[in-house]
Amino acid sequence: QKEVEQNSGPLSVPEGAIASLNCTYSDRGSQSFFWYRQYSGKSPELIMFIYSNGDKEDGRFTAQLNKASQYVSLLIRDSQPSDSATYLCAETTGANNLFFGTGTRLTVIP
Amino acid sequence: KAGVTQTPRYLIKTRGQQVTLSCSPISGHRSVSWYQQTPGQGLQFLFEYFSETQRNKGNFPGRFSGRQFSNSRSEMNVSTLELGDSALYLCASSLYRSYEQYFGPGTRLTVT
Repeated sequence: QKEVEQNSGPLSVPEGAIASLNCTYSDRGSQSFFWYRQYSGKSPELIMFIYSNGDKEDGRFTAQLNKASQYVSLLIRDSQPSDSATYLCAETTGANNLFFGTGTRLTVIP
Repeated sequence: KAGVTQTPRYLIKTRGQQVTLSCSPISGHRSVSWYQQTPGQGLQFLFEYFSETQRNKGNFPGRFSGRQFSNSRSEMNVSTLELGDSALYLCASSLYRSYEQYFGPGTRLTVT
């Protein structure tokens, strides 16, 4: 049974701090990993994707992938109140069938 | 470049009816996937279309079906609606298979 696990939160961080969101997955065949941000009442918005072990940085966001540990994380530096949303981790084994975690709700406190 | 569009945005149907939802992918994108999002089950994959062919299917009953047209636009159909089909139905497009997927705004279906 394929599983993508995320801490449901809520995770609260003060404005300007680093928010760390974590995700573990069960399928060793998983090839690609995605982080989506979903505001309440809106559709998921792709913010990061990572395919290779290591870190990938894009502005204030850093995705980290460790395939040996089956672990993927998202760091948000200098968190802003506008970052308050639910963050969804997703993986795929190569086809276009994303398998999602249940999401972590992040609140950035001004 | 315009994003993924979905119509209608909101829909109210009665049990037993059928419904058709439409999705227009980002220009140039050839792959379309459909997802169902509910508070209880989260985001679940329904099916994927590429080059007018269903390439992958999730664990949903046969009442859920779809198709893709030559211009990559896609439709999904749900027949004999049940109360449990009430959900946000999301369409996502990608350039090719195994590429990043971008979601449309969704169609919120309410079955009464």
